Amino acid sequence: QTVVTQEPSFSVSPGGTVTLTCGLSSGSVSTTYYPSWYQQTPGQAPRTLMYNTNTRSSGVPSRFSGSIIGNKAALTITGAQADDESDYYCMLYMSGGVLMFGGGTKLTVL
Amino acid sequence: EVQLVESGGGLVQPGGSLRLSCVASEFTFSSHWMDWVRQAPGKGLEWVSRLNSDGSVTIYADSVKGRFTISRDNAKNTLYLQMNSLRGEDTAVYYCARKGKSGWNFDLWGRGTLVTVSS
Repeated sequence: QTVVTQEPSFSVSPGGTVTLTCGLSSGSVSTTYYPSWYQQTPGQAPRTLMYNTNTRSSGVPSRFSGSIIGNKAALTITGAQADDESDYYCMLYMSGGVLMFGGGTKLTVL
Repeated sequence: EVQLVESGGGLVQPGGSLRLSCVASEFTFSSHWMDWVRQAPGKGLEWVSRLNSDGSVTIYADSVKGRFTISRDNAKNTLYLQMNSLRGEDTAVYYCARKGKSGWNFDLWGRGTLVTVSS
């Protein structure tokens, strides 16, 4: 069965730029997978950051951007801030209408 | 305030049943597809099930197919998840989520309700 892949962890310095990726164990991610991204801090519900590859949800700062890079979906944070330290999940729309999350990336800002 | 509020979680023995509810406020519930997403303790998010706006189309993750049933009562602005034959691996916080207007994503999340399956 196809698995959605994400980096388990990433670190970025305050003010730095980081790109998190979302791939498939078999195949390439494209816009037809409607990639979306969610941010979650411990004990809180997820927050929707990005949908349809590169559309920011209401209220999401412009330092967050989405794209397709190569064969993966990507979430880029430009000018990372301390409160960006969170878990980030991508989600893809798979064949048959099933949705699948990646395992999540734990982002540390230090 | 536009919100989703889940309830019905708790401790249940393996093999038991539980019904979760999700009450929607301040938006036209009957116009939206709705989903359930769960998160086991210390683990990632897992999509569980989706229901279309009039309740006629359902889809389930393989992990719950045949055991869980999603339904809704649009007159009560409420989404349900009937969970039968519960297993330890079903232990999780269960979130209801509203499908966004465009594409396949969620634009509104509840705060979740914890289900613990243990003897």
